[in-house]
Amino acid sequence: KQEVTQIPAALSVPEGENLVLNCSFTDSAIYNLQWFRQDPGKGLTSLLLIQSSQREQTSGRLNASLDKSSGRSTLYIAASQPGDSATYLCAVLRSGNTGKLIFGQGTTLQVKP
Amino acid sequence: DGGITQSPKYLFRKEGQNVTLSCEQNLNHDAMYWYRQDPGQGLRLIYYSQIVNDFQKGDIAEGYSVSREKKESFPLTVTSAQKNPTAFYLCASAPRGRGYEQYFGPGTRLTVT
Repeated sequence: KQEVTQIPAALSVPEGENLVLNCSFTDSAIYNLQWFRQDPGKGLTSLLLIQSSQREQTSGRLNASLDKSSGRSTLYIAASQPGDSATYLCAVLRSGNTGKLIFGQGTTLQVKP
Repeated sequence: DGGITQSPKYLFRKEGQNVTLSCEQNLNHDAMYWYRQDPGQGLRLIYYSQIVNDFQKGDIAEGYSVSREKKESFPLTVTSAQKNPTAFYLCASAPRGRGYEQYFGPGTRLTVT
């Protein structure tokens, strides 16, 4: 059974810091991995999607990496800003399946001005 | 504007009543999904549909029902058989052939008393 874990559950950093959020999964047979952002009381916003054949994806100040063999993904946020404060969720799509995402419980990030 | 709409944003019901949550998308996506989010438990898949007139149970389908009569619409009914219906419900959709990247609606918060 696929399990997805995100550590730490919460993180507080001063503005301007570079930071890394971690995601681990137990079964390396995944189709893709997706990182989301969720603001309080809102839906999820897709940040980056990494296909199983890819090693990383970049969008602006965000960079996500994928290491299937070790069952890990990281989301790197450069030069953090107070507007980055949110909960970040990672989710894996099981291989051979067409939509069943398995979510981690998220990391809640606070960036202090 | 293209996107996913969910209505209403907040919903209050008395115990024992069935309630239907609306989800509409104009992204021309084939696949649609319903998730439930509870504090400390992350998102869990309720039902999903990859094509009109077809849908599959997710991990927590008991007490819920869905229909997919139109490509754009995927309503979720929370029945009186659902033991703990109070939660935040999120609808998502995804295109085929683009890694099934999922896009989420704004969510409906259901409170049952």
